[in-house]
Amino acid sequence: QKEVEQNSGPLSVPEGAIASLNCTYSDRGSQSFFWYRQYSGKSPELIMSIYSNGDKEDGRFTAQLNKASQYVSLLIRDSQPSDSATYLCAVSNGGYNKLIFGAGTRLAVHP
Amino acid sequence: GAVVSQHPSWVICKSGTSVKIECRSLDFQATTMFWYRQFPKQSLMLMATSNEGSKATYEQGVEKDKFLINHASLTLSTLTVTSAHPEDSSFYICSARLAGDNIYNEQFFGPGTRLTVL
Repeated sequence: QKEVEQNSGPLSVPEGAIASLNCTYSDRGSQSFFWYRQYSGKSPELIMSIYSNGDKEDGRFTAQLNKASQYVSLLIRDSQPSDSATYLCAVSNGGYNKLIFGAGTRLAVHP
Repeated sequence: GAVVSQHPSWVICKSGTSVKIECRSLDFQATTMFWYRQFPKQSLMLMATSNEGSKATYEQGVEKDKFLINHASLTLSTLTVTSAHPEDSSFYICSARLAGDNIYNEQFFGPGTRLTVL
C-alpha cells in the first residue's frame, strides 16, 4: 500500500463547476497535510495546508481533513481553465522532516 | 513572503562534467532544505534532506558521492551533480522549511532547475 494515494485522473470538469480531489494516507501519526498545485514544467506551489479535522476555506479552495478515516480532500469552487494542473497531496508526520507526496491528480477544466 | 530561488533555471552539459545548483531562501531563514528530482510525468522524488551546518541525509538509493549537498548558511543550499550522465537529466527542485518550524513542516519550493546531460 502506498503511503499517500491519489487518483491519477484526469479529472475533467466544466468551467464553473466544483472540482473534488481526494487523497488517503496510511500513517495514522500524520499531523500536517498540504495541497500543492503543479503546472506542467513548473515546480509545485503550496495552495492549502490543514492540520486539524474539519474544513478550511481560502477563497475558492476548501480543504477537508478527516483523521479518523485518514482522508483529506480539496474542493475547488467555480473552477476555471487556469486551474488545470496536477494537484499533489502531501502528508507529514511531525516527528519527521520530510513530506510524503502522492502521485498527483491531473485536473482538466474545460470551457 | 517565503520565496525560494534556484539558479540556474536550466543547464545543458556534456557527459562527465559536474553541475552545481543553488537554492536560496530569499526572505526567510531555513535550517532545513530538501532536494527533489522529478522525471517527466512522474511525481516528486525526495533525494535528500539538507540541514544547515551538518551532513545531508540521503534517501535510499540516492548516491551521496554523486549528489553532493552543502548547506553552509541559513539561506543557501547547493546540490552538485558530479560526473553527470544522460540518465541524470531531470528536473531538480529544492524546497525550504521555515527555521523553527518543527511542527507544521510547511515547505516552499523553488522554481526548479532543468538539467540536460548530452
